Amino acid sequence: DAKTTQPNSMESNEEEPVHLPCNHSTISGTDYIHWYRQLPSQGPEYVIHGLTSNVNNRMASLAIAEDRKSSTLILHRATLRDAAVYYCILRPAMDTGRRALTFGSGTRLQVQP
Amino acid sequence: EPEVTQTPSHQVTQMGQEVILRCVPISNHLYFYWYRQILGQKVEFLVSFYNNEISEKSEIFDDQFSVERPDGSNFTLKIRSTKLEDSAMYFCASRLAGVGTDTQYFGPGTRLTVL
Repeated sequence: DAKTTQPNSMESNEEEPVHLPCNHSTISGTDYIHWYRQLPSQGPEYVIHGLTSNVNNRMASLAIAEDRKSSTLILHRATLRDAAVYYCILRPAMDTGRRALTFGSGTRLQVQP
Repeated sequence: EPEVTQTPSHQVTQMGQEVILRCVPISNHLYFYWYRQILGQKVEFLVSFYNNEISEKSEIFDDQFSVERPDGSNFTLKIRSTKLEDSAMYFCASRLAGVGTDTQYFGPGTRLTVL
């Protein structure tokens, strides 16, 4: 599986935008980029995913570099509730669903009031 | 919004005892998973289940573990003879079948404490 690299931790202030980077220089052409997050004492939660184009949903935006070797999860206005560990995970396009998610250490985001 | 539920939220057991962790996946989902997370460590995959059989399992999922879908709604993880190192959060997840439905939905977890 292609590897991802994320900073161990980041800090943000409430109501400011947050850009969480992920490097995946060995990504294959058919890998999707998924983001999950884990709030304290909870199970992981899906955030967003994309292949080549930037993506937006109600939770976040995903900006994917043109060469696809990196991506950035963007929280437009961080709230205290966004304090969590954020995981960037690559998934092959033809995944049958049998393959498990492989979680790295992720980025621990702290949000200051 | 439909969600994955897990019971109990916290289970305390003595070493060597059997435990059964229960999960109710989202009703129209067909793939089911168990993961665990030892305190302070990464989320680790244990097993995936589809069409009433194990699809994939990790090295952690040895003979002391088993999974079952005893009826149309529950998905269980049994640990036959618990060890101290089995103490962890156990998360159940489920997802739809089909291409383009890769999102896994996780339950809130069961905290297992082995004394």
